[in-house]
Formats: sequence, C-alpha cells, structure tokens
Amino acid sequence: GAVVSQHPSRVICKSGTSVKIECRSLDFQATTMFWYRQFPKKSLMLMATSNEGSKATYEQGVEKDKFLINHASLTLSTLTVTSAHPEDSSFYICSARDPLAGGPRQETQYFGPGTRLLVL
Amino acid sequence: DAKTTQPNSMESNEEEPVHLPCNHSTISGTDYIHWYRQLPSQGPEYVIHGLTSNVNNRMASLAIAEDRKSSTLILHRATLRDAAVYYCAEGGATNKLIFGTGTLLAVQP
Repeated sequence: GAVVSQHPSRVICKSGTSVKIECRSLDFQATTMFWYRQFPKKSLMLMATSNEGSKATYEQGVEKDKFLINHASLTLSTLTVTSAHPEDSSFYICSARDPLAGGPRQETQYFGPGTRLLVL
Repeated sequence: DAKTTQPNSMESNEEEPVHLPCNHSTISGTDYIHWYRQLPSQGPEYVIHGLTSNVNNRMASLAIAEDRKSSTLILHRATLRDAAVYYCAEGGATNKLIFGTGTLLAVQP
C-alpha cells in the first residue's frame, strides 16, 4: 500500500514552453501533497505544499507564478513549470501522506519516483 | 534556518554494521526524525522514523540522543543493495519534511 506515482518520468522541452507533471496517490487519498526539487548530487529542497481544494503554500524563494500547483482531487496534484528555462532543469519529486493510516505509517511520507525535466 | 547535517560519504564492508549519523541542531520538540534512502534517479524510500525513543524495524534501527540533537541510523549487516544516499529529515505528522545534506554510503564486497 501507499504508492505514489508520477507522470511523465522524464520530459525534454524547449525553452519558453510549459510542462505539466502529475503526482497521484494510487491506493489512498491525500489531502496534502508536497513538491520537491533536486539538483545533481544535492539534497531534496521543498518547493511547496499542495492542499486539496485550496491554494498551495510555497517555500521562500519559490515563484508561485512560475511553478503552478493544482490539487483538484484527493488523489492528484499537478505541478506546471511555466515558461521553462534551462535553469529549471532538475529532478522533481512529489510525496504524500496517508492521513487515515494507523500506527507508524501516520507520520510517514511516501515519495513518487520523480520526473527528470530537461529544458533545452 | 534549520541545520540538519550529515557526513558527505561513508564506506562499509559487506556483512558489517553501519552507523550513519545526523545532527539536528535546530529540531523542534514536536518534529519527528525520519530517515530515507535514495538510489540514483529514483524517489526516496522510507527507512525508519521516531520521536524520542529508539526504534527498530526490519530494515534498520534508529538511535535518538536524549537531547534529540543527533540521531544514528544503524544498518546491522550491510549488503551491496544498501549502497545509496541516506537522508535524515525532520518533520511533524502533518508538516513538511526538511531534508539533511545526505550521506553517500558505499558498501564494499
């Protein structure tokens, strides 16, 4: 249980275009999902908290107009990188927590496999 | 800013125990300590977490200092499949996770 998927797994786009990344909780409902970005040989950096039915909460320094987050259902959050530039090339990872899980799983976040974005 | 630091890399021999340290210099009293590991081009995999007491599961053990300013992930018998980047992280039940700097573990046969 507690599986999170992401689509696509990798994407290449031209500079100036927009790219949408999907994050799905496959066997549980997630009122909150998280989006991270990871540069090569670096740790994960939290970008934003995605809240179902309300606005996302962005971390300091993350442009909300550039990284659009939509959490329209309890199993799907999307991250759209608008007007992508080469510096946006990175590994984007989402995570979710199962709010109905009991025991130790209650505090555990489950991560998707990540999406590799390359902007040319 | 939170400072969750780890050694850049560690090396172990197969079948031997490994102790991976993490410093939680600014952890809050209600934040859990989590450990994840990550293989190249994959998402992090959950290993273990705890609040104050030491924890054991089938993958590893977690030792938490009494003042919670440090924790140690213990792999009792390292295998080649345990080679990965190990991250400690801090976060509450409903809060975001803030990741440490990560330790690249190499396991020698």
